[in-house]
Amino acid sequence: GESVGLHLPTLSVQEGDNSIINCAYSNSASDYFIWYKQESGKGPQFIIDIRSNMDKRQGQRVTVLLNKTVKHLSLQIAATQPGDSAVYFCAEARYGQNFVFGPGTRLSVLP
Amino acid sequence: GAVVSQHPSRVICKSGTSVKIECRSLDFQATTMFWYRQFPKKSLMLMATSNEGSKATYEQGVEKDKFLINHASLTLSTLTVTSAHPEDSSFYICSAREPGRETQYFGPGTRLLVL
Repeated sequence: GESVGLHLPTLSVQEGDNSIINCAYSNSASDYFIWYKQESGKGPQFIIDIRSNMDKRQGQRVTVLLNKTVKHLSLQIAATQPGDSAVYFCAEARYGQNFVFGPGTRLSVLP
Repeated sequence: GAVVSQHPSRVICKSGTSVKIECRSLDFQATTMFWYRQFPKKSLMLMATSNEGSKATYEQGVEKDKFLINHASLTLSTLTVTSAHPEDSSFYICSAREPGRETQYFGPGTRLLVL
């Protein structure tokens, strides 16, 4: 069935560098995509979302890019900080349907 | 805004007992709430979708008689794990969605340990 996957299960970056977390999705009918951050022992926290009629959306220090041609989603974090260390999940959905979550990527920020 | 709470945050119970977990949307009304289960180092697994005033919709493989869901108001959904066994030990997370919106906001999760 459809699935959402990640290229890298773990990512280590130097503090201050930019981070890029990738996600591949297989359902071309998905029209809504979202990124969550989950710290250890806590619930997922909304970061940013994007609809399929856009290919880029920016937030505070974060940018989500959507490439529908290759069904790829990425989350860019600028000037990565120690507080950004967490597991990041992407999710996709069709309107009215449930979210399908990816397996997650662990981001470790090195001092 | 969009704050979701869960209670309790962690619970330890004996095998065979029932445990109730509450999920509340604090600053918005949620016609739809979701219950997820998460195993260590794994992604979120949807258990059921809870709609206010109607029966929950369970995902395949989830026992509705074991995981009782009630969504009695626009701000409260409860998950009751009946006759809990050690294999039910897990991290249970709820989320809530505003009417007409797609974004789900998650609660902090409940750690259940069944001895």
